[in-house]
Amino acid sequence: SSELTQDPAVSVALGQTVRIKCQGDSLSTYYASWYQQKPGQAPTLVIYAKNNRPSGIPDRFSGSTSGNIASLTITGAQAEDEADYYCNSRDSSGDRPVLFGGGTKLTVL
Amino acid sequence: QVQLQQWGAGLLKPSETLSLTCAVNGGSFSGYLLTWIRQPPGKGLEWIGEIIHSGSTNYNPSLKSRVTISVDTSKNQFSLRLSSVTAADTAVYYCARAPRKDLVSYNLFYYLPVWGKGTTVTVSS
Repeated sequence: SSELTQDPAVSVALGQTVRIKCQGDSLSTYYASWYQQKPGQAPTLVIYAKNNRPSGIPDRFSGSTSGNIASLTITGAQAEDEADYYCNSRDSSGDRPVLFGGGTKLTVL
Repeated sequence: QVQLQQWGAGLLKPSETLSLTCAVNGGSFSGYLLTWIRQPPGKGLEWIGEIIHSGSTNYNPSLKSRVTISVDTSKNQFSLRLSSVTAADTAVYYCARAPRKDLVSYNLFYYLPVWGKGTTVTVSS
């Protein structure tokens, strides 16, 4: 069945740039969306529809796609960016119309 | 500003039926993909299913035999029922709203900009 694959954990030095990746066949058709989740909170949308940010999301967050790999880039990571990040997309080919990646734990050093 | 308010029982015994409701306040209801998602303790997000105002549904195949999602358009609410729960169904359950189904199909995007605060459901004897 279709799925979205993420690295379980990534770390970045404070102020540096980090890229979090998400791979899956559905991303060749549908744009990925990205969510930030901090402990005890509901996920928050940070990137959607190729590279759009909801109101209130800092412009250090950006998104891109190449083939079947979507990336979330944080340029100049801040301490408050330490969180779990999930990718998500629609899927028209598998048995589930909506997919989530397994999540990436981002540590800001 | 659209807000989702969710509620339901938080403690269940094995074999009981989970029942949660989500109200869509301050925004449109018609045509939008109304979604349920869950997150077991320490684990990732799992899509449960979705419904639109007409009542058309899609479910996660792994839960399909036990899940029913329904909609009450007169109250702008949608509900989740999960039967025969076990400890494996212990999770935080979220309702969320995606864009209108026609926009998702045309623009090939899908995203969840609005979420409920989550309901912790524990299954224990």
